[in-house]
Formats: sequence, C-alpha cells, structure tokens
Amino acid sequence: DVKVTQSSRYLVKRTGEKVFLECVQDMDHENMFWYRQDPGLGLRLIYFSYDVKMKEKGDIPEGYSVSREKKERFSLILESASTNQTSMYLCASSGLAESTDTQYFGPGTRLTVL
Amino acid sequence: LAKTTQPISMDSYEGQEVNITCSHNNIATNDYITWYQQFPSQGPRFIIQGYKTKVTNEVASLFIPADRKSSTLSLPRVSLSDTAVYYCLVGGPNSGNTGKLIFGQGTTLQVKP
Repeated sequence: DVKVTQSSRYLVKRTGEKVFLECVQDMDHENMFWYRQDPGLGLRLIYFSYDVKMKEKGDIPEGYSVSREKKERFSLILESASTNQTSMYLCASSGLAESTDTQYFGPGTRLTVL
Repeated sequence: LAKTTQPISMDSYEGQEVNITCSHNNIATNDYITWYQQFPSQGPRFIIQGYKTKVTNEVASLFIPADRKSSTLSLPRVSLSDTAVYYCLVGGPNSGNTGKLIFGQGTTLQVKP
C-alpha cells in the first residue's frame, strides 16, 4: 500500500518566515507533486518533479521553490511566507510502473500565515 | 485539456444508489476519465478510471457512453462514510505522471441517515 506522509498536519507561521514542508513517499515513485487547495478553487499545482534534482513549474509557482535531493523526498519551500499563502498543501506521488497514472496523496498540511 | 462540468453538490440517503454525472464535451480521442474521492481533512484518493463503455471495481462503476462526452460515476448502496467530494478528471495517457491532472471544484456528496 502506497504511503505518502507529510511532516506536519497543522502549521502556524508568521509573515516573512521561511517555511519548509516535507513530503516522503515509500513506493519508489518517480514523480512527486505539490498542490495547494483553497475553497472554491479546487487543487492547483505548484511544482512537480519527475526525477531527483529535477523540477517543473506548475500553474502557480510564484512565491514557492522546491527541492528533491532524494527520490523519496520532495520539499516545498516558502522563502518568505505571506498571508495569501495560508492554505491546505497537499503532496502526491505517482509511479511509471503503476497500471494507471494514479496520484497518491498525503494527508495534507494546513498552513496558517499570520 | 478537456474541461469538465459536474454538479456542485448532491444529497442522498443511506442505502441508495448515487449517480454523479460529469460532462466533458471536448474530450480528446486519447483522453481517459478518472474519478477521485476526497474526505474532509484528507488528500484525494483514486476511485476509478476508464476510457469507454463500463468499468467496475470494488468501490464504484463508471459508465461512459459511445460519444464519451459525459461519464457517470455510480456508487451502489451508499453509507454515511461515502460523504465526500468527488472529482471528475479528463486527461491523456500519463496525465497523472506529468502533472496534467486538473481538479475542478468537484461534487460534494452528502449522505443522510
């Protein structure tokens, strides 16, 4: 059973702080994704990575960066948190060996920026 | 990428069959139709995927007519635990692996006792 874990379920930070959100998957998946989810806007893709040290911008990358130093770990970085980055952040992974291109999601991190 | 339209919300009662229809008029020839389920405070979970006709698994059935411009997710005999948001997604092969999935607002299903 695929497991995607995220470092925190809830996080409260102050404006201007640097924030790290960590995601780990245990299925040796090549692809990993970061989304944010806001009421009325659905899920929006921030960044994704298809290999170690590789990254691609999603639909809303501004204000975010990512790091993938190991295959199982994908980090989302808010360089200087702002109140409009208050949101639910979801990490997902998918593998080329799967029979479908299913994305497996973690439980999410609810980030509040004060 | 094909746009999808689905009802914002639906109500049902325990034990009933629930059908959620999704419209995707500009679906491309090689697009697949995928449904995800999301419970409150959790990430979405894959339910079912299909290309044409009917697909069934232990959770749901997916009906796709010949013109593929719509699809219907069928949940048999729902229970309170089926209360969730259901997302219909359309995308080409490997959309899930290439970051091309588009999650709209989904359909919020409320199952009542």
